[in-house]
Amino acid sequence: GEDVEQSLFLSVREGDSSVINCTYTDSSSTYLYWYKQEPGAGLQLLTYIFSNMDMKQDQRLTVLLNKKDKHLSLRIADTQTGDSAIYFCAAGGSSGSARQLTFGSGTQLTVLP
Amino acid sequence: NAGVTQTPKFQVLKTGQSMTLQCAQDMNHNSMYWYRQDPGMGLRLIYYSASEGTTDKGEVPNGYNVSRLNKREFSLRLESAAPSQTSVYFCATGGSYEQYFGPGTRLTVT
Repeated sequence: GEDVEQSLFLSVREGDSSVINCTYTDSSSTYLYWYKQEPGAGLQLLTYIFSNMDMKQDQRLTVLLNKKDKHLSLRIADTQTGDSAIYFCAAGGSSGSARQLTFGSGTQLTVLP
Repeated sequence: NAGVTQTPKFQVLKTGQSMTLQCAQDMNHNSMYWYRQDPGMGLRLIYYSASEGTTDKGEVPNGYNVSRLNKREFSLRLESAAPSQTSVYFCATGGSYEQYFGPGTRLTVT
């Protein structure tokens, strides 16, 4: 089955850019997602990208997809202390009408003042 | 428009007790999911329901049962709780491409 890997920790200074990386194993994954989880809360969908795209930009967020290497990254520009959270990468294809997602273990982003 | 709601928020059970976790959505989505989150392991799918009246096993279904009561509600039942089921449980609903999550239920089994 699909396996999704992420580094566990990332620490950046406020105002710098953050880059969170993710690799996945199933080349048939059609959709790739980034979720954010703040302490004690559920997962908030940040953005997603289809496998036929290379890049997607949404305000301070930029997602890059290298389909050949099965590598996904999330860049957060001008990182703020409110961006401190756990970021999950997820990959999914389609299974009838229910899309099953496989999640990475999450990257804890710490933003230092 | 509450999105996805879960009850209860917290629960402590003794080994062998049973309980049902409730999930409801007002997003008119067909698909619903139950995940568990354990430290350092991301989210793992327990069961999902592609539509009202259907349910399927996910990655870690042992020890759980589910009921898709109607389009809005999807419940998760632990018949005989075990300490290994101590976790945070999330319900999600599926849109066309994405999933939306509830706030979670933190369950401790002693």
